[in-house]
Amino acid sequence: GESVGLHLPTLSVQEGDNSIINCAYSNSASDYFIWYKQESGKGPQFIIDIRSNMDKRQGQRVTVLLNKTVKHLSLQIAATQPGDSAVYFCAGGASGGSYIPTFGRGTSLIVHP
Amino acid sequence: KAGVTQTPRYLIKTRGQQVTLSCSPISGHRSVSWYQQTPGQGLQFLFEYFSETQRNKGNFPGRFSGRQFSNSRSEMNVSTLELGDSALYLCASSPMTSGYNEQFFGPGTRLTVL
Repeated sequence: GESVGLHLPTLSVQEGDNSIINCAYSNSASDYFIWYKQESGKGPQFIIDIRSNMDKRQGQRVTVLLNKTVKHLSLQIAATQPGDSAVYFCAGGASGGSYIPTFGRGTSLIVHP
Repeated sequence: KAGVTQTPRYLIKTRGQQVTLSCSPISGHRSVSWYQQTPGQGLQFLFEYFSETQRNKGNFPGRFSGRQFSNSRSEMNVSTLELGDSALYLCASSPMTSGYNEQFFGPGTRLTVL
């Protein structure tokens, strides 16, 4: 089955810096990946997704990069703000048939003002 | 449009008891999924329901069960609670069932088993 994991459990950055959160996956059959943000006391919130036929996708202040060769994706947050402090999860899955995403453990992003 | 709601938000039970958690999806969403979140295991898929039928099931023992009603509201039940069942139980709804659909998560129910 799918295995998705994160390289670093905690990332500390200064306000205004760019943040990069990494994720590795094992299942080559995954055809989409999602990044979620989870703030304390809340459920995960969708940030951005990317299909496996893409290598980059940009959103508002966020960019996701997908490297299928090494089965790696990253989430880049530009000009990180204190409100970005949260746990970030990557999830992968296959869209054919059922939808059972597999989540990484999460990276805690701490933004220092 | 109201988000996914879960009740209760917090629950304390003792070993051997059973518990029922409730989830109301976003209006119009027909798929409801349940997840268990723990510090050690992260987010793990429990099951997914659509049109009152369980469509997918994760790798959890039979003590974990669920159901979905005709209005798409869903409940999950855990019988014979164990200490290891202490976790945040998250419900997520999505509008469709096949393929990739964005999931919208509720705030979760924090279950503590003593």
